Amino acid sequence: GAGVSQSPSNKVTEKGKDVELRCDPISGHTALYWYRQRLGQGLEFLIYFQGNSAPDKSGLPSDRFSAERTGESVSTLTIQRTQQEDSAVYLCASSLVAGADTEAFFGQGTRLTVV
Amino acid sequence: AQKVTQAQTEISVVEKEDVTLDCVYETRDTTYYLFWYKQPPSGELVFLIRRNSFDEQNEISGRYSWNFQKSTSSFNFTITASQVVDSAVYFCALNAGGTSYGKLTFGQGTILTVHP
Repeated sequence: GAGVSQSPSNKVTEKGKDVELRCDPISGHTALYWYRQRLGQGLEFLIYFQGNSAPDKSGLPSDRFSAERTGESVSTLTIQRTQQEDSAVYLCASSLVAGADTEAFFGQGTRLTVV
Repeated sequence: AQKVTQAQTEISVVEKEDVTLDCVYETRDTTYYLFWYKQPPSGELVFLIRRNSFDEQNEISGRYSWNFQKSTSSFNFTITASQVVDSAVYFCALNAGGTSYGKLTFGQGTILTVHP
């Protein structure tokens, strides 16, 4: 597709269950980022991928959160044993290169609700 | 550490009014980049502008203009003659800390509502 695609767009899960969120970046984009947006707040950085490697995982809130990227393309963010505080919109972004001044293109996000 | 503050949580204006969205940032780095993004109801963030710390020239793009002042660590965004389609959440963001990649620190966002 032309833009960053995320699926599912909405996910409701029970507390304690595991969830997987998917991000398809723009084809050819080497850098990929995950952010979390809690209700009424700005975006919090979670993790950055360059190719299939994650040089910066500093934003992952706990060891329940993990992410991987394969084929220098699709990325999956996994949250294990979900908690209510995990409820948020999870946004993925990609950029052609990983420059500090590079424009990032964002997906529409996955709205996760933990009940 | 980096920080971005958007003091205005919500702004409501009537169409054709001018509106300024404030952004104040904190960083100890001398090289950094500032961004504005728009988040319409559909959810995806749309890039509006990028400015580096060495370029203090103001910029105008159609009805949009940006005022960057290093002396006050501010990067304010003005929409002239606002339109209903401008209704969205606007985020100011900073890339600093010596990172060579696009890790952004975002402000809390300003919800702009333009009434017809």
